[in-house]
Amino acid sequence: DIVMTQSPSSLAMSVGQKATMSCKSSQSLLNSSNQKNYLAWYQQKPGQSPKLLVYFASTRESGVPDRFIGSGSGTDFTLTISSVQAEDLADYFCQQHYDTPRTFGGGTKLEIK
Amino acid sequence: QVQLQQPGAELVRPGASVKLSCKASGYTFTSYWINWVRQRPGQGLEWIGNIFPSDSYTNYNQKFKDKATLTVDKSSSTAYMQLSSPTSEDSAVYYCTRGRAWFAFWGQGTLVTVSA
Repeated sequence: DIVMTQSPSSLAMSVGQKATMSCKSSQSLLNSSNQKNYLAWYQQKPGQSPKLLVYFASTRESGVPDRFIGSGSGTDFTLTISSVQAEDLADYFCQQHYDTPRTFGGGTKLEIK
Repeated sequence: QVQLQQPGAELVRPGASVKLSCKASGYTFTSYWINWVRQRPGQGLEWIGNIFPSDSYTNYNQKFKDKATLTVDKSSSTAYMQLSSPTSEDSAVYYCTRGRAWFAFWGQGTLVTVSA
């Protein structure tokens, strides 16, 4: 199974600051035939279901604000929130969609100062 | 609009199997994979497996192969997951989701509590 490791486990940011969180995979998620990285990001607000933010490492899902930016390739990926808003308080999970079983990272909790 | 409706909660006795439901609406049920994902209290997400409703082809996470059984009822556009011999370790929220690779649509989740 592909192991996904997220860091940090928690992050405390002020409104307007840039937040950066990392996701590393135990093997490359790059498909050499199409040069796409098979990595998704989700946001889970307290008491809610996860919400898809990004897939193919950097493709933003329809309706997701452009302050959410996915980047990275191979085994190292980053989710950046360019200007944190109060409503971004949530857990963030990465998930590889390169192979089955699909696996998720342990999550990064974003707190607002 | 796409909706996946799940019951809010289920109370299960240890050792008694339970069948969770996920009713789909707003799209062609047989055209998209349905996945099941577990989230234990305060924990991360675990993929249990998926099923393609058109032909009931399934993929399971080996970890859940003896625990979960996925089925569908095409006549009612409903997916099911049966949990066998549940223990307290199976107490969790169980989500159904739509998609083969990434999961754009999620149900609200069913909180399963295993308790005598």
